[in-house]
Amino acid sequence: RKEVEQDPGPFNVPEGATVAFNCTYSNSASQSFFWYRQDCRKEPKLLMSVYSSGNEDGRFTAQLNRASQYISLLIRDSKLSDSATYLCVVNERGFQKLVFGTGTRLLVSP
Amino acid sequence: DTEVTQTPKHLVMGMTNKKSLKCEQHMGHRAMYWYKQKAKKPPELMFVYSYEKLSINESVPSRFSPECPNSSLLNLHLHALQPEDSALYLCASSQGSGNEQYFGPGTRLTVT
Repeated sequence: RKEVEQDPGPFNVPEGATVAFNCTYSNSASQSFFWYRQDCRKEPKLLMSVYSSGNEDGRFTAQLNRASQYISLLIRDSKLSDSATYLCVVNERGFQKLVFGTGTRLLVSP
Repeated sequence: DTEVTQTPKHLVMGMTNKKSLKCEQHMGHRAMYWYKQKAKKPPELMFVYSYEKLSINESVPSRFSPECPNSSLLNLHLHALQPEDSALYLCASSQGSGNEQYFGPGTRLTVT
């Protein structure tokens, strides 16, 4: 089983749609969780950290479910500029490592 | 300021060349990282430096040699690379372990 699993997509959605991605992780000792966004041929950029209580940043909402070991990202009112690959990232306690999922590709069309 | 800079942006080198990639951050971060990324794959960790000391080497071949001259700088020395080493090389930094990492724009390396 992969350490961090994501549906690779692509998710094709029209502008204005709401889209959700899930990600599962295998290590129950994981402590920190993040969503990164990566545009084609660019570096990953931190989108948001994911907290136990859930958190929201504008159109983006992240949730963590420790019992089921998954995190989610909800994007409301999708924009063309949201088209990118979204990487689910998990850091393990005691390690200076980030474990990356393979990414979920989102395509928002007019 | 969450900027990590990397030079050069692009590099083409032959298999017998020696070159170096450079990374710099001025955020006061104590951990710095090198990643390798191939097309359509996630970044793959190569090395971690913590407080200027190498703390993780992910079994990277010796033709890649990291160096951390000070807390703001990270180098990756390249020698006798293979064509399959062609990739995007990303540098990142973080305040400490468990914290979010900030990536530089990367160096796109082509080995001919």
